[in-house]
Amino acid sequence: KAGVTQTPRYLIKTRGQQVTLSCSPISGHRSVSWYQQTPGQGLQFLFEYFSETQRNKGNFPGRFSGRQFSNSRSEMNVSTLELGDSALYLCASSLDGGLAKLFFGSGTQLSVL
Amino acid sequence: AQKVTQAQTEISVVEKEDVTLDCVYETRDTTYYLFWYKQPPSGELVFLIRRNSFDEQNEISGRYSWNFQKSTSSFNFTITASQVVDSAVYFCALSPWVSGGSNYKLTFGKGTLLTVNP
Repeated sequence: KAGVTQTPRYLIKTRGQQVTLSCSPISGHRSVSWYQQTPGQGLQFLFEYFSETQRNKGNFPGRFSGRQFSNSRSEMNVSTLELGDSALYLCASSLDGGLAKLFFGSGTQLSVL
Repeated sequence: AQKVTQAQTEISVVEKEDVTLDCVYETRDTTYYLFWYKQPPSGELVFLIRRNSFDEQNEISGRYSWNFQKSTSSFNFTITASQVVDSAVYFCALSPWVSGGSNYKLTFGKGTLLTVNP
C-alpha cells in the first residue's frame, strides 16, 4: 500500500511569487491535513480537509489556502510568498479525520529567496 | 489554549542506554488525546502512540514505554536499551476532542533530538 506522497520534494521561489504543493493520501483515506514545520515555530497546523470540505483551520493568514479533490488528493497554495514562509510543509492523511492515526508524507521543503 | 512543552532540546546517549523524553502539556479540555511521533532524517513523521485523557495506564511496546500522569500533566516516553536506529526527533502532541465533526487539530511540542551513538 503506497504511503502519503507529496510533490515536489524541494521548491525554490522568490518573494511575491505563489506556490502550489500537492499531496496524495493513502488510498481510501478521506482526511488530509497540512502542517508547517520551521526551526523557530516548530510544527503548526494549517488546515484539514475531509470530503472536499475544509473542516478545521489553524492560525495562518489568508495567503495560505487549500483544496481537496473528489479523489481525496489535496493541494495547498501560498500566495505572495514571504521569506518567513520558508519551511517544510507536511501533509498527513487518515481514514476519517477524527483522532485516527495520522500518516505523514516526507514533506515539501520550500525555500523563499 | 493548548500547549505542549518538551524541555529537552537535545539528548545524546550511548547505545544500550535507557533514555526518557519528557513531555508536559497544558489544556483546559477535560477530554483530550496525547500522541508521540518520531521524525527520522527522511522527514516524515511516524506515529508511535495515542493515549486518551481517561486512560492513565502505562503502556509498553517492545523497547518503548509511556508514562501518562494526569496529576502532573505529563506524558513521558522511555526507550530501553537504545539503538542507533532510534536517532530521530521525537514530538509529543496534544489534540482536543469534540463530539461530532473533525476533532483533529494537533498541537506539537518543539521536539527532542535524540542521538544514539554507537
